[in-house]
Amino acid sequence: DIVMTQTPSSQAVSAGEKVTMSCKSSQSLLYSENKKNYLAWYQQKPGQSPKLLISWASTRESGVPDRFIGSGSGTDFTLTISSVQAEDLAVYYCEQYYDTPLTFGSGTKLEIK
Amino acid sequence: QIQLVQSGPELKKPGESVKISCKASGYTFTDYAMNWVKQAPGNGLKWMGWINTQTGKPTYADDFKQRFVFSLETSASTAYLQINNLNIEDTATYFCTRAPGWFAYWGQGTLVTVSS
Repeated sequence: DIVMTQTPSSQAVSAGEKVTMSCKSSQSLLYSENKKNYLAWYQQKPGQSPKLLISWASTRESGVPDRFIGSGSGTDFTLTISSVQAEDLAVYYCEQYYDTPLTFGSGTKLEIK
Repeated sequence: QIQLVQSGPELKKPGESVKISCKASGYTFTDYAMNWVKQAPGNGLKWMGWINTQTGKPTYADDFKQRFVFSLETSASTAYLQINNLNIEDTATYFCTRAPGWFAYWGQGTLVTVSS
């Protein structure tokens, strides 16, 4: 199974600050034939279902604010929120869909100071 | 618009069974596989497996091969998750979510509580 490791487990920032969170996979998620990374990012607010933010490591979903930026390739990925807003309070998960079983990271909990 | 609407919360005793439904609308049901994801209280997300909505063939992740059954009622655009012989560790919210491997559409989740 591909193991997804997210760091930090929690982070507290003030509104307007930039935040970055990491996701590392135990094997490469880059498929050589199409040069795509099979990595998604989700946001889960308290009491809600997860919401897809980014697929293919860096493709933002329609309607997702452009302050959410996905980057990285291979085994190292980053989700950046360029200017955190109060409504960004949530847990953020990465997920690999390169191979089954599909696996999620353990999440980064974002707290607003 | 695309929606996945799940059945309501369940309270069960150990050893009982539960069947959760997930009704899809806004797209052709058989065009996309349906996946199931478990989230235990305060925990992260765990993929349980998926069901091919064209053939009805289920595929289970290793931890969910014994007491878990995925099924369909294609005429009603509905997927089901049945859990047999419930135990305390099955207490969780269960989500249905539409393929492909990245999940743009999720049900609202069904909380299953197992308690004696």
